[in-house]
Amino acid sequence: QSVLTQPPSASGTPGQRVTISCSGGSSNIEINFVYWYQQLPGTAPKLLIYRNNQRPSGVPDRFSGSKSGTSASLAISGLRSEDEADYYCAAWDDNLSGPVFGGGTKLTVL
Amino acid sequence: QVQLVESGGGVVQPGRSLRLSCAASGFIFRSYAMYWVRQAPGKGLEWVAVISHDGSKKYYGDSVKGRITISRDNSKNTVYLQMNSLRSEDTSVYYCVRGPWGSAGDHWGQGALVTVSS
Repeated sequence: QSVLTQPPSASGTPGQRVTISCSGGSSNIEINFVYWYQQLPGTAPKLLIYRNNQRPSGVPDRFSGSKSGTSASLAISGLRSEDEADYYCAAWDDNLSGPVFGGGTKLTVL
Repeated sequence: QVQLVESGGGVVQPGRSLRLSCAASGFIFRSYAMYWVRQAPGKGLEWVAVISHDGSKKYYGDSVKGRITISRDNSKNTVYLQMNSLRSEDTSVYYCVRGPWGSAGDHWGQGALVTVSS
């Protein structure tokens, strides 16, 4: 049982916009930054969004993040086949003194 | 560029110990917190441990508390994970992740597979 809650799956067709939600609580998302990671099959996770809505260099602007209260979301616009991957949200948790992760969302591009 | 290379993984019997190492390069190691995050086969990500830039603060996930110790040697740009009393449920890929403190990490290593089996 993950501390942060994500839908287990999401899907869309090429060119569509999809969003993935992440729900947390008062000790994590509400008071700390949210991070999003993309994990392609057989590879290590890669940072996609940091500090709620910032993109590292090299990450396309098709990816965007937002946060409101105890929830956050990742939006992917102009969906491409190479976006098919697992996506994880995470945030530092003040009660645990460590980061907590969502259970992951498997994105399928139809 | 930032590089994190884990080593020390392998197959180990239940109850035995194992030490993972993570060699860092491409950044000022002593300025960053370091994390270990694991992923069981077919499962999601689970935080294991974190250590501050100077080693003065260390925190652990509930599932490994008391059995695992994180440490670092800033003179060698290396962070370690000492795992004792290993259980089958510790079977995972263990990732070394760079800070900053209070985050969930930015750069990840390629991972080291630890299999606990008799």
